[in-house]
Amino acid sequence: NAGVTQTPKFRVLKTGQSMTLLCAQDMNHEYMYWYRQDPGMGLRLIHYSVGEGTTAKGEVPDGYNVSRLKKQNFLLGLESAAPSQTSVYFCASSYDLAGIAKNIQYFGAGTRLSVL
Amino acid sequence: AQTVTQSQPEMSVQEAETVTLSCTYDTSESDYYLFWYKQPPSRQMILVIRQEAYKQQNATENRFSVNFQKAAKSFSLKISDSQLGDAAMYFCAYRTPNTDKLIFGTGTRLQVFP
Repeated sequence: NAGVTQTPKFRVLKTGQSMTLLCAQDMNHEYMYWYRQDPGMGLRLIHYSVGEGTTAKGEVPDGYNVSRLKKQNFLLGLESAAPSQTSVYFCASSYDLAGIAKNIQYFGAGTRLSVL
Repeated sequence: AQTVTQSQPEMSVQEAETVTLSCTYDTSESDYYLFWYKQPPSRQMILVIRQEAYKQQNATENRFSVNFQKAAKSFSLKISDSQLGDAAMYFCAYRTPNTDKLIFGTGTRLQVFP
């Protein structure tokens, strides 16, 4: 009954370091998403994937890369972290476009990232 | 481009009372979906209620209901019999039928006083 799991939960980086955030879902969902949440700005979409092997840019993709090599996993990478990337990152997944009940996005618990 | 606006950064309500959170959106599409998500201090995003634009009937989930005014592009959330556990950030979100991307408002922080 895990749902959407994000690792790690917290991370502190120095400017210029790289890291990868992992998102795993066990609901056999087709679609997966990465958002960032900043104070006063709600959640903004970074990248998303509509299926294994596919990725697409969201609203704020610069400075991030993603990969979806396996259906259940969606990785978010920061190649050279910057202080502007200090944020809380959320992963979400959903099924597909067929039917309203399947259009609900389920979220992970978030990763708090600080870049010094 | 679609936008979602929540004009109330903070709201407060007495336990057992009713509170309404406002949300407006801008879109040129006729078919879309609207959602309210709750984010408690644990940070977990929890779906509260959803509404399909083609349905005229307002969605209801136990103590939560919406007032969906399509012409006015308004989607407010009413919480009846407020409980201490309702204290959280509430986000309104819009989703188009042709994509699966959600566009979020900036959120309303709800405080519940005993």
